[in-house]
Amino acid sequence: DAGVIQSPRHEVTEMGQEVTLRCKPISGHDYLFWYRQTMMRGLELLIYFNNNVPIDDSGMPEDRFSAKMPNASFSTLKIQPSEPRDSAVYFCASTMDSFSFNEQFFGPGTRLTVL
Amino acid sequence: DQQVKQNSPSLSVQEGRISILNCDYTNSMFDYFLWYKKYPAEGPTFLISISSIKDKNEDGRFTVFLNKSAKHLSLHIVPSQPGDSAVYFCAASGNYGGSQGNLIFGKGTKLSVKP
Repeated sequence: DAGVIQSPRHEVTEMGQEVTLRCKPISGHDYLFWYRQTMMRGLELLIYFNNNVPIDDSGMPEDRFSAKMPNASFSTLKIQPSEPRDSAVYFCASTMDSFSFNEQFFGPGTRLTVL
Repeated sequence: DQQVKQNSPSLSVQEGRISILNCDYTNSMFDYFLWYKKYPAEGPTFLISISSIKDKNEDGRFTVFLNKSAKHLSLHIVPSQPGDSAVYFCAASGNYGGSQGNLIFGKGTKLSVKP
């Protein structure tokens, strides 16, 4: 059974460039979450979707960040323009329903480095 | 301000002995607590959880204890095995007027189990 799939696994880009991170949740899962992990702030929720609809985006740091979920099997997190302080590991997670809301399945993460 | 704190960044234990990982929280609205385990280059995986109506939950070698009055929880691993070496994240969420709150993570404790 495939877990949550994220691509790319590593991304190195220069300041000012657009970055797009991709996620495929586990089939049948209604919730999708985007997290960011940094040394300073730990693991933080950026945004989550329920049935492809954004529910809570209060963790999105600023307008340079945007996330979409065009269908049940795909989501993107875009940073435009990227800055060095965006360097972090970005995780996507999914869970089946509201009863298992907290027991999330995480992807392997995308390590982003902005030079 | 951190709502979930793991004050020990690292812990080293001998194989076969007990590992005790600690976590403190500040938000009295939290009513559900979880532990996630993370290996290098992988995403966190759910390990065990406890509701605030309980003070103990056990799953094989893993037991979580909750002390609500002290706003403290701990994860016990007995006996510890080298394969348990990983980073352990404590997480908490609350129910706010019928809506499930988001997961708030601690910064993690790196456990090393020596053969």
